[in-house]
Amino acid sequence: AQKVTQAQTEISVVEKEDVTLDCVYETRDTTYYLFWYKQPPSGELVFLIRRNSFDEQNEISGRYSWNFQKSTSSFNFTITASQVVDSAVYFCALSETGANNLFFGTGTRLTVIP
Amino acid sequence: ETGVTQSPTHLIKTRGQQVTLRCSSQSGHNTVSWYQQALGQGPQFIFQYYREEENGRGNFPPRFSGLQFPNYSSELNVNALELDDSALYLCASSLFRDRDYEQYFGPGTRLTVT
Repeated sequence: AQKVTQAQTEISVVEKEDVTLDCVYETRDTTYYLFWYKQPPSGELVFLIRRNSFDEQNEISGRYSWNFQKSTSSFNFTITASQVVDSAVYFCALSETGANNLFFGTGTRLTVIP
Repeated sequence: ETGVTQSPTHLIKTRGQQVTLRCSSQSGHNTVSWYQQALGQGPQFIFQYYREEENGRGNFPPRFSGLQFPNYSSELNVNALELDDSALYLCASSLFRDRDYEQYFGPGTRLTVT
Protein backbone atom coordinates (compact mmCIF):
# COMPACT_ATOMS: atom_id res chain seq x y z
CA ALA A 1 0.00 0.00 0.00
CA GLN A 2 1.19 3.48 -0.71
CA LYS A 3 1.45 6.22 1.87
CA VAL A 4 2.77 9.77 1.93
CA THR A 5 3.38 11.46 5.26
CA GLN A 6 3.91 15.17 5.70
CA ALA A 7 4.28 15.43 9.44
CA GLN A 8 4.51 19.23 9.52
CA THR A 9 0.99 20.58 9.36
CA GLU A 10 1.93 24.25 9.56
CA ILE A 11 5.22 26.13 9.50
CA SER A 12 5.82 29.85 9.98
CA VAL A 13 9.10 31.53 9.11
CA VAL A 14 10.29 35.08 8.86
CA GLU A 15 11.12 36.34 5.41
CA LYS A 16 14.64 35.42 4.19
CA GLU A 17 14.86 32.42 6.48
CA ASP A 18 15.46 28.98 4.98
CA VAL A 19 12.77 26.35 5.50
CA THR A 20 12.61 22.61 4.85
CA LEU A 21 9.38 20.72 4.25
CA ASP A 22 9.54 17.05 5.04
CA CYS A 23 8.02 14.19 3.06
CA VAL A 24 8.24 10.50 3.90
CA TYR A 25 6.71 7.90 1.62
CA GLU A 26 5.91 4.20 1.58
CA THR A 27 5.58 2.01 -1.48
CA ARG A 28 6.19 -1.61 -2.41
CA ASP A 29 7.15 -0.69 -5.96
CA THR A 30 10.75 -0.35 -7.01
CA THR A 31 9.83 2.10 -9.72
CA TYR A 32 7.82 5.13 -8.72
CA TYR A 33 7.64 8.89 -9.07
CA LEU A 34 7.65 11.57 -6.43
CA PHE A 35 6.24 15.04 -6.84
CA TRP A 36 5.93 18.36 -5.07
CA TYR A 37 3.06 20.72 -5.76
CA LYS A 38 2.32 24.20 -4.44
CA GLN A 39 -1.25 25.28 -3.76
CA PRO A 40 -1.66 29.04 -3.29
CA PRO A 41 -4.91 30.47 -1.89
CA SER A 42 -6.36 30.51 -5.42
CA GLY A 43 -6.57 26.71 -5.21
CA GLU A 44 -4.71 25.71 -8.35
CA LEU A 45 -2.03 23.09 -7.83
CA VAL A 46 1.26 24.28 -9.27
CA PHE A 47 3.74 21.60 -10.31
CA LEU A 48 7.20 22.07 -8.83
CA ILE A 49 9.15 18.89 -9.47
CA ARG A 50 8.93 15.22 -10.50
CA ARG A 51 11.60 12.72 -9.57
CA ASN A 52 11.73 9.05 -10.52
CA SER A 53 12.95 6.42 -8.11
CA PHE A 54 16.13 5.72 -10.05
CA ASP A 55 17.37 9.27 -9.90
CA GLU A 56 18.63 10.14 -6.43
CA GLN A 57 20.51 13.22 -7.49
CA ASN A 58 19.52 16.28 -5.55
CA GLU A 59 18.10 19.08 -7.60
CA ILE A 60 18.30 22.82 -7.28
CA SER A 61 16.08 25.29 -9.08
CA GLY A 62 16.69 28.86 -8.04
CA ARG A 63 15.75 29.13 -4.37
CA TYR A 64 14.22 25.65 -4.36
CA SER A 65 16.10 22.43 -3.73
CA TRP A 66 15.08 18.85 -3.20
CA ASN A 67 16.81 16.07 -1.29
CA PHE A 68 15.76 12.55 -2.31
CA GLN A 69 17.03 9.72 -0.10
CA LYS A 70 15.75 6.22 -0.87
CA SER A 71 17.47 4.83 2.23
CA THR A 72 15.11 6.82 4.44
CA SER A 73 12.20 7.01 1.95
CA SER A 74 12.27 10.77 2.13
CA PHE A 75 11.92 13.51 -0.44
CA ASN A 76 12.41 16.80 1.37
CA PHE A 77 11.97 20.26 -0.09
CA THR A 78 13.98 23.31 0.97
CA ILE A 79 13.23 26.92 0.19
CA THR A 80 16.22 29.20 0.63
CA ALA A 81 15.75 32.87 1.54
CA SER A 82 11.98 32.51 1.78
CA GLN A 83 9.70 35.22 0.44
CA VAL A 84 6.12 36.20 1.24
CA VAL A 85 5.03 34.82 -2.15
CA ASP A 86 6.15 31.38 -0.98
CA SER A 87 3.22 31.31 1.44
CA ALA A 88 1.02 28.42 0.34
CA VAL A 89 0.17 24.81 1.07
CA TYR A 90 2.77 22.40 -0.26
CA PHE A 91 1.90 18.82 -1.17
CA CYS A 92 4.17 15.86 -1.67
CA ALA A 93 2.74 13.12 -3.90
CA LEU A 94 3.63 9.61 -5.06
CA SER A 95 2.79 7.76 -8.25
CA GLU A 96 3.49 4.04 -8.51
CA THR A 97 4.45 2.14 -11.65
CA GLY A 98 1.49 1.70 -13.94
CA ALA A 99 -0.66 3.84 -11.69
CA ASN A 100 -2.52 6.61 -13.36
CA ASN A 101 -3.06 8.72 -10.31
CA LEU A 102 -1.16 10.76 -7.80
CA PHE A 103 -1.36 9.86 -4.12
CA PHE A 104 -1.02 13.02 -2.05
CA GLY A 105 0.08 13.72 1.48
CA THR A 106 -2.00 15.97 3.70
CA GLY A 107 0.10 19.02 2.93
CA THR A 108 2.17 21.55 4.87
CA ARG A 109 0.91 25.11 5.19
CA LEU A 110 3.84 27.51 4.96
CA THR A 111 3.43 31.08 6.12
CA VAL A 112 6.24 33.52 5.44
CA ILE A 113 6.02 36.57 7.66
CA PRO A 114 7.36 39.83 6.26
CA GLU B 1 -1.36 29.35 -15.92
CA THR B 2 -1.69 25.67 -16.83
CA GLY B 3 -4.21 26.07 -19.64
CA VAL B 4 -6.73 23.95 -17.75
CA THR B 5 -10.02 25.64 -16.94
CA GLN B 6 -12.91 24.54 -14.77
CA SER B 7 -16.47 25.74 -14.37
CA PRO B 8 -18.20 26.84 -12.35
CA THR B 9 -15.85 28.33 -9.78
CA HIS B 10 -18.25 27.89 -6.91
CA LEU B 11 -21.47 25.95 -6.55
CA ILE B 12 -24.01 25.45 -3.78
CA LYS B 13 -26.32 22.44 -3.90
CA THR B 14 -28.77 20.76 -1.59
CA ARG B 15 -28.38 17.24 -0.29
CA GLY B 16 -29.91 14.72 -2.70
CA GLN B 17 -29.44 16.88 -5.78
CA GLN B 18 -27.23 16.12 -8.75
CA VAL B 19 -24.32 18.25 -9.99
CA THR B 20 -22.17 18.45 -13.11
CA LEU B 21 -18.72 19.99 -13.04
CA ARG B 22 -16.79 20.80 -16.19
CA CYS B 23 -13.15 20.81 -17.17
CA SER B 24 -11.42 22.00 -20.31
CA SER B 25 -8.08 20.30 -20.80
CA GLN B 26 -4.85 21.78 -22.01
CA SER B 27 -4.67 21.67 -25.79
CA GLY B 28 -3.47 18.30 -27.09
CA HIS B 29 -3.84 16.47 -23.80
CA ASN B 30 -5.68 13.15 -24.12
CA THR B 31 -6.00 12.26 -20.45
CA VAL B 32 -8.00 13.88 -17.68
CA SER B 33 -8.08 13.00 -14.01
CA TRP B 34 -10.46 14.22 -11.33
CA TYR B 35 -9.60 14.70 -7.67
CA GLN B 36 -11.62 15.59 -4.59
CA GLN B 37 -9.95 17.77 -1.98
CA ALA B 38 -11.74 18.08 1.34
CA LEU B 39 -10.88 21.02 3.55
CA GLY B 40 -7.46 20.63 5.12
CA GLN B 41 -6.69 17.44 3.19
CA GLY B 42 -4.69 16.47 0.16
CA PRO B 43 -6.47 15.73 -3.12
CA GLN B 44 -7.89 12.23 -3.51
CA PHE B 45 -8.10 10.51 -6.87
CA ILE B 46 -11.63 9.95 -8.16
CA PHE B 47 -11.03 8.60 -11.67
CA GLN B 48 -9.18 9.12 -14.91
CA TYR B 49 -10.36 9.18 -18.52
CA TYR B 50 -8.13 8.36 -21.46
CA ARG B 51 -9.47 8.70 -24.99
CA GLU B 52 -13.02 8.93 -23.70
CA GLU B 53 -12.91 5.76 -21.58
CA GLU B 54 -12.47 5.37 -17.84
CA ASN B 55 -8.88 4.36 -17.19
CA GLY B 56 -8.77 3.84 -13.46
CA ARG B 57 -10.84 4.72 -10.45
CA GLY B 58 -10.19 5.54 -6.83
CA ASN B 59 -12.27 4.60 -3.83
CA PHE B 60 -15.41 6.51 -4.78
CA PRO B 61 -18.95 5.14 -5.16
CA PRO B 62 -20.70 4.77 -8.53
CA ARG B 63 -22.71 7.95 -7.98
CA PHE B 64 -19.50 9.69 -9.04
CA SER B 65 -19.34 9.34 -12.81
CA GLY B 66 -17.62 11.09 -15.65
CA LEU B 67 -17.44 11.74 -19.34
CA GLN B 68 -14.65 12.78 -21.66
CA PHE B 69 -15.49 14.28 -25.03
CA PRO B 70 -13.64 14.07 -28.37
CA ASN B 71 -12.24 17.54 -27.81
CA TYR B 72 -10.85 16.20 -24.51
CA SER B 73 -13.05 18.36 -22.32
CA SER B 74 -14.69 16.41 -19.55
CA GLU B 75 -17.43 16.35 -16.94
CA LEU B 76 -17.71 15.03 -13.42
CA ASN B 77 -21.23 14.11 -12.37
CA VAL B 78 -22.26 13.44 -8.81
CA ASN B 79 -25.71 12.06 -8.04
CA ALA B 80 -27.58 12.01 -4.74
CA LEU B 81 -25.31 14.60 -3.16
CA GLU B 82 -24.28 14.11 0.46
CA LEU B 83 -22.96 16.68 2.90
CA ASP B 84 -19.52 15.00 2.79
CA ASP B 85 -19.31 15.74 -0.92
CA SER B 86 -18.56 19.35 -0.02
CA ALA B 87 -15.03 19.86 -1.29
CA LEU B 88 -12.80 21.42 -3.92
CA TYR B 89 -12.92 19.35 -7.10
CA LEU B 90 -9.80 19.50 -9.23
CA CYS B 91 -9.27 18.24 -12.71
CA ALA B 92 -5.86 17.59 -14.19
CA SER B 93 -5.00 17.07 -17.82
CA SER B 94 -1.99 15.26 -19.16
CA LEU B 95 -0.53 13.76 -22.28
CA PHE B 96 -0.37 10.05 -21.63
CA ARG B 97 2.97 8.94 -22.99
CA ASP B 98 4.56 5.79 -21.63
CA ARG B 99 4.17 6.09 -17.88
CA ASP B 100 6.03 9.28 -17.42
CA TYR B 101 3.68 12.18 -17.66
CA GLU B 102 2.96 15.37 -15.87
CA GLN B 103 -0.48 16.40 -14.73
CA TYR B 104 -1.56 20.02 -15.09
CA PHE B 105 -4.23 21.09 -12.64
CA GLY B 106 -7.08 23.51 -13.08
CA PRO B 107 -8.15 26.02 -10.41
CA GLY B 108 -10.93 23.77 -9.14
CA THR B 109 -14.63 24.01 -8.45
CA ARG B 110 -15.64 24.51 -4.84
CA LEU B 111 -18.83 22.58 -4.15
CA THR B 112 -20.87 23.20 -1.02
CA VAL B 113 -23.67 20.80 -0.16
CA THR B 114 -26.21 22.03 2.38
